[in-house]
Amino acid sequence: EPEVTQTPSHQVTQMGQEVILRCVPISNHLYFYWYRQILGQKVEFLVSFYNNEISEKSEIFDDQFSVERPDGSNFTLKIRSTKLEDSAMYFCATRPGTFAANIQYFGAGTRLSVL
Amino acid sequence: AQSVAQPEDQVNVAEGNPLTVKCTYSVSGNPYLFWYVQYPNRGLQFLLKYITGDNLVKGSYGFEAEFNKSQTSFHLKKPSALVSDSALYFCAAGDNYGQNFVFGPGTRLSVLP
Repeated sequence: EPEVTQTPSHQVTQMGQEVILRCVPISNHLYFYWYRQILGQKVEFLVSFYNNEISEKSEIFDDQFSVERPDGSNFTLKIRSTKLEDSAMYFCATRPGTFAANIQYFGAGTRLSVL
Repeated sequence: AQSVAQPEDQVNVAEGNPLTVKCTYSVSGNPYLFWYVQYPNRGLQFLLKYITGDNLVKGSYGFEAEFNKSQTSFHLKKPSALVSDSALYFCAAGDNYGQNFVFGPGTRLSVLP
């Protein structure tokens, strides 16, 4: 069964450094999402992406964050100048383009630890 | 704004007994409701969804959920729990266009042998 792949599984970084989290969507999926789950808390929406542009973003997704599809396949989340409170599990999700098939398929996540 | 509540942080049930994990929602327009399960160190795995149609929806691993519009609920159920069902369960609501999901806080299910 096709799946969403995220790399790395665990990323450790120093505060103030930039990190890039990578996601390989299921092929033929057109909508892409990033979510965040701080340890012990709920899963929170960050951003959605369609047709090479952001379609919606939450208030969490400030200027520190950016997303792109650099090569038409990978979908990346960049966090500039990481802060301690950015430590969380980051999930990528994708879904097909058809309206009715709006199940989002999630990757296994990247655990980001900011020291 | 959409919101999802899961009133129980933890549900304990004995193996073989029926289980229920509760979810209530508040959405504008037609609700698009989902259940996901998260096993330790794993991502969110889709279980089932309600978009339209029958109020009782069946999903993976013998789970089902009942949509109740008057009570704005979408409780997850299983007739006979397995120890392997022990995990974190999330209820989620999506908008009409399948855009961002709003997740509930999660309910940890423990099935005791």
